Amino acid sequence: AQSVAQPEDQVNVAEGNPLTVKCTYSVSGNPYLFWYVQYPNRGLQFLLKYITGDNLVKGSYGFEAEFNKSQTSFHLKKPSALVSDSALYFCAVRDSNYQLIWGAGTKLIIKP
Amino acid sequence: NAGVTQTPKFQVLKTGQSMTLQCAQDMNHNSMYWYRQDPGMGLRLIYYSASEGTTDKGEVPNGYNVSRLNKREFSLRLESAAPSQTSVYFCASSEGQGQPQHFGDGTRLSIL
Repeated sequence: AQSVAQPEDQVNVAEGNPLTVKCTYSVSGNPYLFWYVQYPNRGLQFLLKYITGDNLVKGSYGFEAEFNKSQTSFHLKKPSALVSDSALYFCAVRDSNYQLIWGAGTKLIIKP
Repeated sequence: NAGVTQTPKFQVLKTGQSMTLQCAQDMNHNSMYWYRQDPGMGLRLIYYSASEGTTDKGEVPNGYNVSRLNKREFSLRLESAAPSQTSVYFCASSEGQGQPQHFGDGTRLSIL
């Protein structure tokens, strides 16, 4: 079955520290992977995508994600967290019908 | 540049009432989507329209109908609202299926 898992409901990081938000996937064929961010009372905003090429993908607001085919993972990272990064983060993968399968989301809290 | 515009932003209905949620995009996108977001469940696809003139069921279509009025507009109708349909509804659009999606800010719907 095609699926996306975000194993952590919440991640807490101190400002200035590196952050990682985890995502694993199960999909047939080559994966198309996405990360989105949602701020309170707003819609989701696209951060970055992986289709092919370099395993390290750079996106908006200083975020990057590392694709690991052997571990079927696509973890979101940032070298130095900001308080303004606090939000809800969603991982998604394109399925065989070209629709996106969404993870349940991870709440990221950055403490000053 | 408005992007994706949803109306209304908030609505309270009584069980059995009907209403239509409106969505319009100004990015000349081909594909449009309706999702619902419930706590801890991520996004679930209700209906989508791959291109003007076509609509298809998503993961949770029961109790809903859609109309792709033209390339810009994609409406979602609840014919007889039920408390289980209390949720936040998001409209999104993309250039094509499987491409990054752009979201509206949602309609918060409560059904009493």
